[in-house]
Amino acid sequence: GENVEQHPSTLSVQEGDSAVIKCTYSDSASNYFPWYKQELGKRPQLIIDIRSNVGEKKDQRIAVTLNKTAKHFSLHITETQPEDSAVYFCAANPPMDSSYKLIFGSGTRLLVRP
Amino acid sequence: NAGVTQTPKFQVLKTGQSMTLQCAQDMNHNSMYWYRQDPGMGLRLIYYSASEGTTDKGEVPNGYNVSRLNKREFSLRLESAAPSQTSVYFCASSPRTGGGTNYGYTFGSGTRLTVV
Repeated sequence: GENVEQHPSTLSVQEGDSAVIKCTYSDSASNYFPWYKQELGKRPQLIIDIRSNVGEKKDQRIAVTLNKTAKHFSLHITETQPEDSAVYFCAANPPMDSSYKLIFGSGTRLLVRP
Repeated sequence: NAGVTQTPKFQVLKTGQSMTLQCAQDMNHNSMYWYRQDPGMGLRLIYYSASEGTTDKGEVPNGYNVSRLNKREFSLRLESAAPSQTSVYFCASSPRTGGGTNYGYTFGSGTRLTVV
């Protein structure tokens, strides 16, 4: 089955710097790659996603890139702010049936230092 | 709209006790999912239901059962709770239908379960 690995497990950056989180996946048939942000004690919330027919997607300070050949995708956050501090999860969707089940990475705890 | 509603929010069980976690969504989504979240291990899929009337095992199904009661409701049952099942449980739903393009998950607020 699909396996998603995420690095680093923790990341500390200075406010205003950029942060990059990387994920690799094993199933070449996976075709949808979302990123979720989870603040302490809250539910995960979708922040950006990308489909396998697209190489890059941006939304203000957030961008995601996908390299299908290498089977990896990355989240880029520019001009980080303290409110970006949270746990971020990547995920991949192995299209095995009519569901859209997601296999998640183990998460990255991002700390933005003021 | 409430979105995805989970009950209870907190629960403490003794080893060997049983309980059912309830999940309901009011978004007319076809697919529903149960995940558990443990420190350092992300979200792991327990069971899912692609559509009303179907259920399938995920990554970590042992010790759990599910019921897709109708399109809105998807429950998770622990028949004989064990300390290893101490976790935060999230229910989620998505509007996925065959060939659909809207893939986003909506998560419930979670159930924090402790088994002693």
